Amino acid sequence: AQSVTQPDIHITVSEGASLELRCNYSYGATPYLFWYVQSPGQGLQLLLKYFSGDTLVQGIKGFEAEFKRSQSSFNLRKPSVHWSDAAEYFCAVAPTGTASKLTFGTGTRLQVTL
Amino acid sequence: GAGVSQSPRYKVAKRGQDVALRCDPISGHVSLFWYQQALGQGPEFLTYFQNEAQLDKSGLPSDRFFAERPEGSVSTLKIQRTQQEDSAVYLCASSINRGSYGYTFGSGTRLTVV
Repeated sequence: AQSVTQPDIHITVSEGASLELRCNYSYGATPYLFWYVQSPGQGLQLLLKYFSGDTLVQGIKGFEAEFKRSQSSFNLRKPSVHWSDAAEYFCAVAPTGTASKLTFGTGTRLQVTL
Repeated sequence: GAGVSQSPRYKVAKRGQDVALRCDPISGHVSLFWYQQALGQGPEFLTYFQNEAQLDKSGLPSDRFFAERPEGSVSTLKIQRTQQEDSAVYLCASSINRGSYGYTFGSGTRLTVV
């Protein structure tokens, strides 16, 4: 069965500092990979997704993620964090080729200090 | 509508009570998903509809959970004889077509069973 691990439950960074959120997955092949953000009381917003091709994916709000097959990782990065980026971030995977369920990690809560 | 609408936003139920949670997907979206998000956890898949057909209900935790989408648009998730462990946020997501991973999530319904 596929699974997603987000090893950092909580991360605190200063505004303007760089950010990297880790995500590792377990799956028999290369799955579809996603990052979502959830603000308090809100639904999930898609930041970016990887299906195939270029392993460096650009998303909204200045985020990017890099797929590394050898490490089964899909880490999310942002060069300069803004206070409005404080939220919960979820990595998710889905099997390739079908419209199917997403399997989410447990999330990383990002706190931004001014 | 412009987004996925879920109602009610909050629901408090006494243990043993039946509840019904509603999801209005984006007009024209064929695929509809329900997820359950327990406190401090990532969302977990419950069930999936393609139009009115329920194609996957493998995530429903017990036979107390039932979902329907009779006309291929609005969906209702029903929980019978609620238990405390049912307390969670229930998220609905829709997608324009099968095979598309452009899910749009609603803001969810927070269910508290007392």
